[in-house]
Amino acid sequence: DVKVTQSSRYLVKRTGEKVFLECVQDMDHENMFWYRQDPGLGLRLIYFSYDVKMKEKGDIPEGYSVSREKKERFSLILESASTNQTSMYLCASRLGPLGANVLTFGAGSRLTVL
Amino acid sequence: AQSVTQLGSHVSVSEGALVLLRCNYSSSVPPYLFWYVQYPNQGLQLLLKYTSAATLVKGINGFEAEFKKSETSFHLTKPSAHMSDAAEYFCAVSLDTGRRALTFGSGTRLQVQP
Repeated sequence: DVKVTQSSRYLVKRTGEKVFLECVQDMDHENMFWYRQDPGLGLRLIYFSYDVKMKEKGDIPEGYSVSREKKERFSLILESASTNQTSMYLCASRLGPLGANVLTFGAGSRLTVL
Repeated sequence: AQSVTQLGSHVSVSEGALVLLRCNYSSSVPPYLFWYVQYPNQGLQLLLKYTSAATLVKGINGFEAEFKKSETSFHLTKPSAHMSDAAEYFCAVSLDTGRRALTFGSGTRLQVQP
């Protein structure tokens, strides 16, 4: 089974801090994604990467950046955390770009910004 | 562009009763459709997916969904609810065109009463 591991399950940060959320997948998937989950809003796509060093903005990229230096690792960066970025962050990976391919999710990282 | 609407943010059923979670999609081309489930403090896991092979799709844990093109619907059903079915359920749509992955609905929280 594909495993997607998010290194931090719970984080508490202060406003203005730089935050790194790390995600690693172990099945050589091409595509990786970062979603944000908020009650009543479902999952919203922040950024995705279709290959190493390649990235594209999703629906809500403001305040975030990403890095994909190696195929298995996709990092989400909050340059200066703000309270409105308190949320659950979900990483996912997919074998390739075909629409039928399934997304496999990590367990999530719950971030609280004080 | 594709979109998904889930009717009802909360659904409550009695144990043993029929579960019906509604999902309608909008897509200009034939879509792929998915249902994911999220248990508390976990990531999303795939329940089932529609990829045009058969309109009635069977998934894990006794769930199934029927693709109805004329109604642009992909409702999720289970004949008899179990307490362990209490979770949040997400419908999602994907296309072959473009690199983006799934577009998710806002989710439906299922409560199962004893």
